[in-house]
Amino acid sequence: NAGVMQNPRHLVRRRGQEARLRCSPMKGHSHVYWYRQLPEEGLKFMVYLQKENIIDESGMPKERFSAEFPKEGPSILRIQQVVRGDSAAYFCASSPPGTPYGYTFGSGTRLTVV
Amino acid sequence: GQQLNQSPQSMFIQEGEDVSMNCTSSSIFNTWLWYKQDPGEGPVLLIALYKAGELTSNGRLTAQFGITRKDSFLNISASIPSDVGIYFCAGRRGNQFYFGTGTSLTVIP
Repeated sequence: NAGVMQNPRHLVRRRGQEARLRCSPMKGHSHVYWYRQLPEEGLKFMVYLQKENIIDESGMPKERFSAEFPKEGPSILRIQQVVRGDSAAYFCASSPPGTPYGYTFGSGTRLTVV
Repeated sequence: GQQLNQSPQSMFIQEGEDVSMNCTSSSIFNTWLWYKQDPGEGPVLLIALYKAGELTSNGRLTAQFGITRKDSFLNISASIPSDVGIYFCAGRRGNQFYFGTGTSLTVIP
């Protein structure tokens, strides 16, 4: 039973390019969450999605960032026109439906903008 | 956003010693969690607490959900080298978990 799979593990982008981060939840999990972690800081909530629905995007920057979780395939976090300040580790977590407690995190994607 | 204050920020201890760290908030949470994060990896859930006053153990780890619902502590007994890492508390409200800034633990053999 594979855990939460994120790819790529490391991503380097030049300023102005697009970054696409993928997350495949654990089998049977239909809820996906994205968090961002800056160096030496805790994780900050970005967005919560269920299949084909964005439930809570209160942590997403208003511009350049978008997320989706299609009926088939992984969840995608997209960052358009990246800037240096987007450099961070992006973690995805998943949980089964109706779970009120902690969820399982992936190993993260480390984005570096040069 | 919500502010969870973790203390201490870092700890250097001898192998075999006990460790205590805590997390406080100005807001009430319904659930408290403790995670451990190794370098280059995602956080791994250690203990989840769901009721005020709850005391839960997981091996050498013990955590408590404060009565006021605004704090929690984590104790590690008889530390070993593999306990090294960053420990995060997290409080849940609604769909979101709010994370503390972490306690970095170094265990000296």
